[in-house]
Amino acid sequence: NAGVMQNPRHLVRRRGQEARLRCSPMKGHSHVYWYRQLPEEGLKFMVYLQKENIIDESGMPKERFSAEFPKEGPSILRIQQVVRGDSAAYFCASSEMRGPSRAGELFFGEGSRLTVL
Amino acid sequence: DAKTTQPPSMDCAEGRAANLPCNHSTISGNEYVYWYRQIHSQGPQYIIHGLKNNETNEMASLIITEDRKSSTLILPHATLRDTAVYYCIVRANYGGSQGNLIFGKGTKLSVKP
Repeated sequence: NAGVMQNPRHLVRRRGQEARLRCSPMKGHSHVYWYRQLPEEGLKFMVYLQKENIIDESGMPKERFSAEFPKEGPSILRIQQVVRGDSAAYFCASSEMRGPSRAGELFFGEGSRLTVL
Repeated sequence: DAKTTQPPSMDCAEGRAANLPCNHSTISGNEYVYWYRQIHSQGPQYIIHGLKNNETNEMASLIITEDRKSSTLILPHATLRDTAVYYCIVRANYGGSQGNLIFGKGTKLSVKP
């Protein structure tokens, strides 16, 4: 049973380009979360999606960032017109719908490391 | 969700038990205590969680005080591979709804030979 798959693992972009990060959740999981980790800092929640719906995007920057989780295919985190400050590790996590006792059990991928030159 | 307080760093000798404390004095009755860890450059890994009772699994034990204002994660026989940042997170699980976890700064555990 494959875990959460993220690709690319490493991505280099020049300022102004677009970055697309993909996340395939674990089989049977319909909930996806994106987190960002800046160098030497903690994980910051960005967005929580279910299939075809954004449930909570309270951690997403207002501009240039978007996320989707289509009915078919992986979840995509898209960053337009990247700047140096976007350089970070982006982690995706997934979970299945569970009862209250296990709702906080998330499975994380290995992350995508974005470097903006 | 309630705020947690953890020591920034701890050392532990290899083979000994590692006891990682977490203070969550403002926890409310419907909030669970979760522990995750992040080994350098890897994705966070779920360890264990509990509500009131002590819990044990193949990775660790979780001891929650009777008033639920603090807890301790115990790694019974720490190995070098347990060197990581350990996060204590308090979260309410409303009726099975999913949601995000709020990660603090955690405790950096260094297991030394």
